Amino acid sequence: DIQTTQSPSSLSASIGDRVTITCRASQNIRSYLNWYQQKPGKAPKVLIYAAYSLQSGVPSRFSVSGSGTDFTLTISSLQPEDFATYYCQQSYKTPYTFGQGTKLEMK
Amino acid sequence: EVQLVESGGGLVQPGGSLRLSCAASGFTFSSFWMHWVRQTPEKGLVWVSRIYNDGTRPSYADSVKGRFTISRDNAKNTLYLQMNSLRVEDTAVYYCARDPDSGGWSRFDLWGQGSLVAVSS
Repeated sequence: DIQTTQSPSSLSASIGDRVTITCRASQNIRSYLNWYQQKPGKAPKVLIYAAYSLQSGVPSRFSVSGSGTDFTLTISSLQPEDFATYYCQQSYKTPYTFGQGTKLEMK
Repeated sequence: EVQLVESGGGLVQPGGSLRLSCAASGFTFSSFWMHWVRQTPEKGLVWVSRIYNDGTRPSYADSVKGRFTISRDNAKNTLYLQMNSLRVEDTAVYYCARDPDSGGWSRFDLWGQGSLVAVSS
């Protein structure tokens, strides 16, 4: 199975900060990497798919970089609604695997 | 409204069975691959199973292979997960999810509200 590892597992930041979350796959997954945001008591919501494509309606302050095994999600200027848990997920092959999550909390 | 609504969760004893249903509405269900994903605080999000839009080629996580069966009824716009020989470690919130780019850039763009399955004696 392809392992997906996120870092950090938690992050404290303030409104307006720039934050970065990293995801590493245990083998080359080309651009088959998705990012999700989840708020407490809700289902996850896809933000970015195919490594770089923003899902419809997702603000442009979310951006990504990387390919192969190393990927980065960046939020350029944190807004109040961005405090949530973020997951990466590889869709290169089944079993599709998720990272363990990064909880973004307000400082 | 485009939505997925799950039902069928509950409390079951180890070794028991449960069937989850996921009713789709607002979109052409028969055009999409569908998945089940489960979540626990300890293990996070875990992909469970996938089925093609025509009901073929089911795929499973090793942890549920041989015990769970995914199926769908496109005439009823409903996805199912039959769970047999349940174990304590199957306790989780189960989500059904739609895959909008079947065979391409697979992702989960529409999720159900989640159904809690608790396996305990």
